[in-house]
Amino acid sequence: KAGVTQTPRYLIKTRGQQVTLSCSPISGHRSVSWYQQTPGQGLQFLFEYFSETQRNKGNFPGRFSGRQFSNSRSEMNVSTLELGDSALYLCASSVSTGRRYGYTFGSGTRLTVV
Amino acid sequence: DAKTTQPNSMESNEEEPVHLPCNHSTISGTDYIHWYRQLPSQGPEYVIHGLTSNVNNRMASLAIAEDRKSSTLILHRATLRDAAVYYCILTDDDKIIFGKGTRLHILP
Repeated sequence: KAGVTQTPRYLIKTRGQQVTLSCSPISGHRSVSWYQQTPGQGLQFLFEYFSETQRNKGNFPGRFSGRQFSNSRSEMNVSTLELGDSALYLCASSVSTGRRYGYTFGSGTRLTVV
Repeated sequence: DAKTTQPNSMESNEEEPVHLPCNHSTISGTDYIHWYRQLPSQGPEYVIHGLTSNVNNRMASLAIAEDRKSSTLILHRATLRDAAVYYCILTDDDKIIFGKGTRLHILP
């Protein structure tokens, strides 16, 4: 069965631009979470969606937003990019509640802001 | 959010068992204990999780203390491919708060 698919794998953007990252969860998974990973801060939770509704949100500025579609696919958007947004962005999906069933992560999108 | 404490790094010999400890003294009754690992240049990989009882799967075993204030991930026979950062996480509200994890080195 296909895993969690994130596109694109690599992205280079300029400061001030915006970017949209995509995540396709495992078929049948309805929960999608997003994480940012940097060498300095480690893995940080961004937000989680379930049935097109945001259920949880981490401590990130409003420039970071997301959404989930009826087919459970999710996108996250970062507006007005800053150099500090350079990171590996990871998506994870779960059947329903991740704490009960565990999460499956994608390989991530590596974003470089120049 | 409940916190976990793990050693920064550990070493083990190939083909020997590995016991990775995790302390979570502030765990609440509804917190699940999850373990994930992350190999270089990959996203985290689910290893195992549990609530109160010990758990086994094809990858590892999870031993949970009776008072649930600590747990141990057991890799029964380490291979070089098990070299990774292992994260012990508590979650009660459907989000994962990652700590620094334990970097496991496997010696051939």
